[in-house]
Amino acid sequence: TQLLEQSPQFLSIQEGENLTVYCNSSSVFSSLQWYRQEPGEGPVLLVTVVTGGEVKKLKRLTFQFGDARKDSSLHITAAQPGDTGLYLCAGDNTNAGKSTFGDGTTLTVKP
Amino acid sequence: KAGVTQTPRYLIKTRGQQVTLSCSPISGHRSVSWYQQTPGQGLQFLFEYFSETQRNKGNFPGRFSGRQFSNSRSEMNVSTLELGDSALYLCASSLSNVFTDTQYFGPGTRLTVL
Repeated sequence: TQLLEQSPQFLSIQEGENLTVYCNSSSVFSSLQWYRQEPGEGPVLLVTVVTGGEVKKLKRLTFQFGDARKDSSLHITAAQPGDTGLYLCAGDNTNAGKSTFGDGTTLTVKP
Repeated sequence: KAGVTQTPRYLIKTRGQQVTLSCSPISGHRSVSWYQQTPGQGLQFLFEYFSETQRNKGNFPGRFSGRQFSNSRSEMNVSTLELGDSALYLCASSLSNVFTDTQYFGPGTRLTVL
């Protein structure tokens, strides 16, 4: 079974601070995605990374896929209250199913 | 274009009953996946349908079943409900069943089993 472990599980910071969320696995994924989910809504795709070592930037968010394609990180610069939500990583599941999701990191950004 | 819609949004059932949830994908999308989300287990894959055929199934008991219609709309059914089935059930649609195709999630159906 391919598992994705996310850390930290919970993160509470002040507006303006930087943070990094991690997604790790013992399995290799051909590609990995990051989602953000807000209360009462379904997850929304932020980015897909497909190449080991790849770095993608989306405004204040920087996503990195590990060289060995077993891990990924999400870095947020100068966090804002609007960044509050549940951040999920998902890997392609070659065994069964479309996606394997991590347990998520719940981020709270206080004004 | 309209997003993924799920009905009903909220549902309360009692143990032993059965329930049917509905998902209407984005127009043109042929793949529909279902997920169960709970605080303890996170987001777990239930099954995926593409062109009316079940392509993949997660590790859930046979009480969980689904189907997809010719218009790509999908339903999932849970029979003999248990307390542990209380969860947010999410449906996601995409153009095809390729992983890198963007999955668009609906708002979910919140099922409470009493």
